[in-house]
Amino acid sequence: DTGVSQDPRHKITKRGQNVTFRCDPISEHNRLYWYRQTLGQGPEFLTYFQNEAQLEKSRLLSDRFSAERPKGSFSTLEIQRTEQGDSAMYLCASSLGTISYNEQFFGPGTRLTVL
Amino acid sequence: KNQVEQSPQSLIILEGKNCTLQCNYTVSPFSNLRWYKQDTGRGPVSLTIMTFSENTKSNGRYTATLDADTKQSSLHITASQLSDSASYICVVTHTGGGNKLTFGTGTQLKVEL
Repeated sequence: DTGVSQDPRHKITKRGQNVTFRCDPISEHNRLYWYRQTLGQGPEFLTYFQNEAQLEKSRLLSDRFSAERPKGSFSTLEIQRTEQGDSAMYLCASSLGTISYNEQFFGPGTRLTVL
Repeated sequence: KNQVEQSPQSLIILEGKNCTLQCNYTVSPFSNLRWYKQDTGRGPVSLTIMTFSENTKSNGRYTATLDADTKQSSLHITASQLSDSASYICVVTHTGGGNKLTFGTGTQLKVEL
């Protein structure tokens, strides 16, 4: 257990439905990252926050995706009008500070299946 | 384009044997390189981290090497155990904004009796 938690661990939904995932980082970590991982691939960067500010979004993050970190603590990732191609593992990670050497600690992930 | 390539894609070894996994990267500017272990259905866990000035780093039975000139890294696992069965992912950090990670596709290792 790295100290980063994600909820739910698994989500099955029908195409067109909206889903929301939550990530609780390690409490003193000011950076929070979201990644997406498809089967047999490494995780791909989606977006990251420093405190409550969303500083960068990947081109992978279409208009149907939105992420928030309202109080600089937990974060949510919402996918609207889900598509089958959204099926993946969504990973959250957190780190302390802005030094690149600082390790990103990953949560267990939320596995999304869109039927 | 920043890329991280790993080989082999998968590997099966007998318990107690050693193995070496390879990683080539083109990420620039480069900050550091990590090897992560990812168990099935779990998030990745960091094994080692090396900056460009470090050539080798050990963590128990795991030893990572880095050649920043050729942009190659390896992870050597000694005296493998069944619990080593997992995906091993090479990850490179950009020095650019956000310290974003670029992940390789991983080597799926299976250790058998």
